[in-house]
Amino acid sequence: ETGVTQSPTHLIKTRGQQVTLRCSSQSGHNTVSWYQQALGQGPQFIFQYYREEENGRGNFPPRFSGLQFPNYSSELNVNALELDDSALYLCASSLEDSYEQYFGPGTRLTVT
Amino acid sequence: AQSVTQLGSHVSVSEGALVLLRCNYSSSVPPYLFWYVQYPNQGLQLLLKYTSAATLVKGINGFEAEFKKSETSFHLTKPSAHMSDAAEYFCAVSESGAGSYQLTFGKGTKLSVIP
Repeated sequence: ETGVTQSPTHLIKTRGQQVTLRCSSQSGHNTVSWYQQALGQGPQFIFQYYREEENGRGNFPPRFSGLQFPNYSSELNVNALELDDSALYLCASSLEDSYEQYFGPGTRLTVT
Repeated sequence: AQSVTQLGSHVSVSEGALVLLRCNYSSSVPPYLFWYVQYPNQGLQLLLKYTSAATLVKGINGFEAEFKKSETSFHLTKPSAHMSDAAEYFCAVSESGAGSYQLTFGKGTKLSVIP
């Protein structure tokens, strides 16, 4: 059974640029959630995707957007990067209607 | 709205001593509660979960937690700390809202184990 994988591992971007982060869900899981973990903080829910549609969103601006593909993999896109977007971005997969989420290793984004 | 408070951002224990990490939650509906562990530069690993069955929940690596509704608490314990337990621990609560089980996390407690 393949776990949740994320790419890239690390990324450095300049303020104002755009970034795309990728996530492959655990085998059989059809729901993907994204979280932002700033340094020294707990993860914060960004949004969740199910059946290729957004299925819940946290308190993040529209410049944070996502996609889910038919194979259940997902992308997180962030436009107009700000310094405060520097964080560890975690992807978690789950089955529909399941409270149990399995996390990937994360992508460390640094905005300079 | 749901929220989680973890008391103590940093806890130090001696190897072999009791580990107690505190978590209090607020939730408008019966919650699902979780403890996750995060090792440096890694993602989150589920330690244990409460889902309205037994109030005393046993997890991996010898950890357990007790759900106390009257105290709105879900404290994590381990009888004897091991060096490998040094990590950051996050308590989380989940409610079903509009079909999504989003997790709300506390700010975390960093556990140090002193040899």
